[in-house]
Amino acid sequence: AQRVTQPEKLLSVFKGAPVELKCNYSYSGSPELFWYVQYSRQRLQLLLRHISRESIKGFTADLNKGETSFHLKKPFAQEEDSAMYYCALRGAFMFSGGYNKLIFGAGTRLAVHP
Amino acid sequence: SQTIHQWPATLVQPVGSPLSLECTVEGTSNPNLYWYRQAAGRGLQLLFYSVGIGQISSEVPQNLSASRPQDRQFILSSKKLLLSDSGFYLCAWSPGTGRHSDSPLHFGNGTRLTVT
Repeated sequence: AQRVTQPEKLLSVFKGAPVELKCNYSYSGSPELFWYVQYSRQRLQLLLRHISRESIKGFTADLNKGETSFHLKKPFAQEEDSAMYYCALRGAFMFSGGYNKLIFGAGTRLAVHP
Repeated sequence: SQTIHQWPATLVQPVGSPLSLECTVEGTSNPNLYWYRQAAGRGLQLLFYSVGIGQISSEVPQNLSASRPQDRQFILSSKKLLLSDSGFYLCAWSPGTGRHSDSPLHFGNGTRLTVT
């Protein structure tokens, strides 16, 4: 079965500290992985996707197929990074028919303290 | 530019009452539309998706139904609410087939439903 696991409900760090939000997945094929973010009073929005291999707002995430992980990292956290972060998976079969079926994890709330 | 509207923002309904949540998208045509639900401590669960008017696919058996009476309108309904229907409901859209259908989902602000 397809599943996304985010083991931490809350991650609390100080400004300037490194951040790693964990995401593990279960999928038998070749998945696409995403990170979505929801800042306070804003809508859920895409942060980054593994196929883009880009850094967004200082965040990066590498797909590790051996460990079935897609952890989100940032070397120096900022207060404005405080938000709810969701890891999401889409398998090849989920994209048939042109629709976008994402499976989300439970989310991790990141709190960055001054 | 495209926008998505979802209402109401919050709703408190008694058990057994009907439900109607509405979502509309502006600035695009023939979008794919989705209803997600987030229950406490769980991830976002896909409930329904639609690739066109009158075309609804259900992901999980439940007490809810969805309809798409117009191209850019997606409605989530229930005839009789259960306590377990409480949660946070999100509508989302993505471009339809053949036109950047690989683009990310665009979410509405969500509706927090409390069934008492």
